[in-house]
Amino acid sequence: AQSVTQLGSHVSVSEGALVLLRCNYSSSVPPYLFWYVQYPNQGLQLLLKYTSAATLVKGINGFEAEFKKSETSFHLTKPSAHMSDAAEYFCAVSGPGSARQLTFGSGTQLTVLP
Amino acid sequence: ETGVTQSPTHLIKTRGQQVTLRCSSQSGHNTVSWYQQALGQGPQFIFQYYREEENGRGNFPPRFSGLQFPNYSSELNVNALELDDSALYLCASSLDSSPAETQYFGPGTRLLVL
Repeated sequence: AQSVTQLGSHVSVSEGALVLLRCNYSSSVPPYLFWYVQYPNQGLQLLLKYTSAATLVKGINGFEAEFKKSETSFHLTKPSAHMSDAAEYFCAVSGPGSARQLTFGSGTQLTVLP
Repeated sequence: ETGVTQSPTHLIKTRGQQVTLRCSSQSGHNTVSWYQQALGQGPQFIFQYYREEENGRGNFPPRFSGLQFPNYSSELNVNALELDDSALYLCASSLDSSPAETQYFGPGTRLLVL
């Protein structure tokens, strides 16, 4: 079965600092990978996804993620944090083959300090 | 274009009761997936419907059941409610059932079981 590990349940950064949220997946075949953001009392919004095209994926709001097969990682980064980035972030995997459902990590709560 | 909508937004039930949650998929989407998100955790896959047929199921007991209608809207039914069923229930729709396809989430229904 696939699984996703998000290192760090809570991450704090200062406004303007680099954001780095870590995600590792376990799969013998490269799956499809997603990052979602969840603001309080809301559903999930897609930030970006990897589907075996370019390994560096650019998403909305200045976020990007790099797929590294050798490290089985898909870390999320943003060069300069903004107060509005404070939210919970989930890494998720689907596939390969017939595994249609999203399997989510446990989430990382990002706090942005003024 | 209308996104994914869910009703009701909040619900309070007592143990042993039954509940029905509703989801309207995004226009043009024929696949609906349901997830349960307990407090402080990532969403867990319940099941997926594709063109009115169940198309995959997670590790949930049979008292969790669903339907998809010809207009691709969907219902989640939970019988014999237990305290642990208290959670945010998320519905997501996608263009088709491919694991590479983006799932678009609704705002969720928050269920409290007393």
